Amino acid sequence: DTAVSQTPKYLVTQMGNDKSIKCEQNLGHDTMYWYKQDSKKFLKIMFSYNNKELIINETVPNRFSPKSPDKAHLNLHINSLELGDSAVYFCASSRGIPLYGYTFGSGTRLTVV
Amino acid sequence: GQQVMQIPQYQHVQEGEDFTTYCNSSTTLSNIQWYKQRPGGHPVFLIQLVKSGEVKKQKRLTFQFGEAKKNSSLHITATQTTDVGTYFCAGGGSEKLVFGKGTKLTVNP
Repeated sequence: DTAVSQTPKYLVTQMGNDKSIKCEQNLGHDTMYWYKQDSKKFLKIMFSYNNKELIINETVPNRFSPKSPDKAHLNLHINSLELGDSAVYFCASSRGIPLYGYTFGSGTRLTVV
Repeated sequence: GQQVMQIPQYQHVQEGEDFTTYCNSSTTLSNIQWYKQRPGGHPVFLIQLVKSGEVKKQKRLTFQFGEAKKNSSLHITATQTTDVGTYFCAGGGSEKLVFGKGTKLTVNP
């Protein structure tokens, strides 16, 4: 069983489109995260939810909107995609704020053309 | 804000040589975590250090947390080709982990 699963794995889309990435975890963790990894492999946190409540919202354009319908799911919707949004987006989960290791999903490689 | 610096950015070794990556924080950390990301893969949690001066070992990997809880290191003894990947440290603050930029290790067989 996959612990943290993201869909889709690859996403190629045109500038200006709106797209969503879905994430689900079956570990019973109460905190979930979205990270962006750029071409230089730098991992930057975007959002964090604890029990469906937003607790971290880094300086991210408001075109990015997370949604957590329950503590096992954290989706990411991106409006008006731009070339600079091309990156790998990782979902992760943990038992709590950051005293426990994170379990990452396999990533979604987003390419905006 | 909290920053975590990691060096070196790249390291190329011959198989059998040792490898070390270093991590430094601008602030005192509550904990430090280490992750490994294989090429094309996702970060995988290796270990967490919490106590000042803590040392932990996993087979050929040795992890250290500094006395002041501001720095850490990962040392691999006698590298193997299976060790290739990017190693990230991540410093724990009150709310979030801040990742270093990683050290990319390549191993020549």
